[in-house]
Amino acid sequence: DTEVTQTPKHLVMGMTNKKSLKCEQHMGHRAMYWYKQKAKKPPELMFVYSYEKLSINESVPSRFSPECPNSSLLNLHLHALQPEDSALYLCASSQEGQGSQPQHFGDGTRLSIL
Amino acid sequence: GIQVEQSPPDLILQEGANSTLRCNFSDSVNNLQWFHQNPWGQLINLFYIPSGTKQNGRLSATTVATERYSLLYISSSQTTDSGVYFCAPYSGTYKYIFGTGTRLKVLA
Repeated sequence: DTEVTQTPKHLVMGMTNKKSLKCEQHMGHRAMYWYKQKAKKPPELMFVYSYEKLSINESVPSRFSPECPNSSLLNLHLHALQPEDSALYLCASSQEGQGSQPQHFGDGTRLSIL
Repeated sequence: GIQVEQSPPDLILQEGANSTLRCNFSDSVNNLQWFHQNPWGQLINLFYIPSGTKQNGRLSATTVATERYSLLYISSSQTTDSGVYFCAPYSGTYKYIFGTGTRLKVLA
């Protein structure tokens, strides 16, 4: 069983909708990550939180808005997405250590934009 | 930034065969991970291997950081080994750079 839990597993939304992806871990990790993965491509880093503070934003469009309300929870708020945003969204966590610790991934949310 | 190349890009094996997957990277790194992404999209951490050799059952990995490569060995392959194998060297400040992957299919 994965120790990083992502919900929902699947999400279909229209371009005008607002939705949120949720990620939870209870391993005591203090670094959390969002990745985006398109079909047949490797995962690409979007955001990194360290001790609940945003450390890295890889020039992600503002229609994606991350939030880390506490050390166990990471959200990704979605608004006015485009069809090209359809992808697998993966959350990961790691022990703090400037990110050089092994990352543990959730099972992902498959997002489809109509 | 660091460049990561994996070979071969695609691999088809009969069940029971052995294989070696290679990961070359363009700059020195302090850490490296190997992942298996199964057909359902789950990304599973196989090894965290900055240098040396580690073994876990039928899988083993070797990283030679000074020569900028890592190898993943799969012995006695099974159909459940099918999927995509990614190496991800650590490039600094929270960033693991994923290679393009090796897509493995094991036939029964």
